[in-house]
Amino acid sequence: NAGVTQTPKFQVLKTGQSMTLQCAQDMNHEYMSWYRQDPGMGLRLIHYSVGAGITDQGEVPNGYNVSRSTTEDFPLRLLSAAPSQTSVYFCASSPRATEQYFGPGTRLTVT
Amino acid sequence: DQQVKQNSPSLSVQEGRISILNCDYTNSMFDYFLWYKKYPAEGPTFLISISSIKDKNEDGRFTVFLNKSAKHLSLHIVPSQPGDSAVYFCAATSPYNNNDMRFGAGTRLTVKP
Repeated sequence: NAGVTQTPKFQVLKTGQSMTLQCAQDMNHEYMSWYRQDPGMGLRLIHYSVGAGITDQGEVPNGYNVSRSTTEDFPLRLLSAAPSQTSVYFCASSPRATEQYFGPGTRLTVT
Repeated sequence: DQQVKQNSPSLSVQEGRISILNCDYTNSMFDYFLWYKKYPAEGPTFLISISSIKDKNEDGRFTVFLNKSAKHLSLHIVPSQPGDSAVYFCAATSPYNNNDMRFGAGTRLTVKP
């Protein structure tokens, strides 16, 4: 039981490049979410999903896309990376919205 | 618009003493509150929660107190141990959208041996 896994652990992008952050969970949780953590800001919700085929926006969705084709996977796509998207990204899952299980994070730097 | 605030970026206590971490919120619709603990290079892990119908919830060395009238909650750790050194995040949700969890900025706790 691996819990929540995220790849890659580290990534450096140039402004304008696109990429996908991968997230997978093996706990059969319906709820999955993506957060970004910035100094002095805590964690801010980007997008979330309450089940396969259902996604919705969180507090800071601009510049990011998500999809949920399976219960296990919830990838986050950066369409055109900007320096403001330099952050640590966490994926989480839970059987309901509270008490979430977080992955180890992806540290993204956009130059 | 930071709806959940942790005004102390850091706290240092001696091993064996009490650690008190504070959290304030502005949204009166919040009805469920959580504390997460985060070690460096790891994701946050759930620690303890409290519903707005309670004013106290206890789990071992950890107790969370909720003061709804003051829109304030606190996490007490007694006794504090060096392994408790981490960043602690307060979080809250409302019944109108319990999928939208708001976090505070975190408090870094250091427990000195």
